[in-house]
Amino acid sequence: KAGVTQTPRYLIKTRGQQVTLSCSPISGHRSVSWYQQTPGQGLQFLFEYFSETQRNKGNFPGRFSGRQFSNSRSEMNVSTLELGDSALYLCASSLASTQYFGPGTRLTVL
Amino acid sequence: DQQVKQNSPSLSVQEGRISILNCDYTNSMFDYFLWYKKYPAEGPTFLISISSIKDKNEDGRFTVFLNKSAKHLSLHIVPSQPGDSAVYFCAARENSGGSNYKLTFGKGTLLTVNP
Repeated sequence: KAGVTQTPRYLIKTRGQQVTLSCSPISGHRSVSWYQQTPGQGLQFLFEYFSETQRNKGNFPGRFSGRQFSNSRSEMNVSTLELGDSALYLCASSLASTQYFGPGTRLTVL
Repeated sequence: DQQVKQNSPSLSVQEGRISILNCDYTNSMFDYFLWYKKYPAEGPTFLISISSIKDKNEDGRFTVFLNKSAKHLSLHIVPSQPGDSAVYFCAARENSGGSNYKLTFGKGTLLTVNP
């Protein structure tokens, strides 16, 4: 089976712009979670989607949003980008208790 | 409030010896624990997991031990190989009726295995 795929792998944006990241889960996985990894904070949970519904949400401002489509693919959007949003954004899919991660999207905000 | 703690930022061991990575947690509601390995610029790779109803799980060179009373788990790698050099993350899931896929991660331990 193909693993979790994320696009794009690298992205450079400037402050104030918005960005959309995409994630395709492992075939058959209906749960998709998003995490932000930064050197200072480690891996932090953003939100989780299951059957097109947001089921869990972490402690991030409303500028961070997401959605899931009927084929389980998911997107996350960050509006009004800030310098502190520079991070590795990871998507994970799961069928049961174990989450499998994609390679991530490295976002740099200038 | 860090609910999952990996107190050793780094660990260095010789090839062939045992690597022991430790993790402590504070949330009694955690019922499932996982270890991930991560190389730079890649996503975490799942290694091994353990349910709170067990105290040990083994998979090849990797064994995870869980001590619920101490709220402590450890990952043993025997024998260690240079390819094991990576950052290891401990993660935990809170029991909320089986529909919660939010993982809480520790900050990671950088393992270096020297040839």
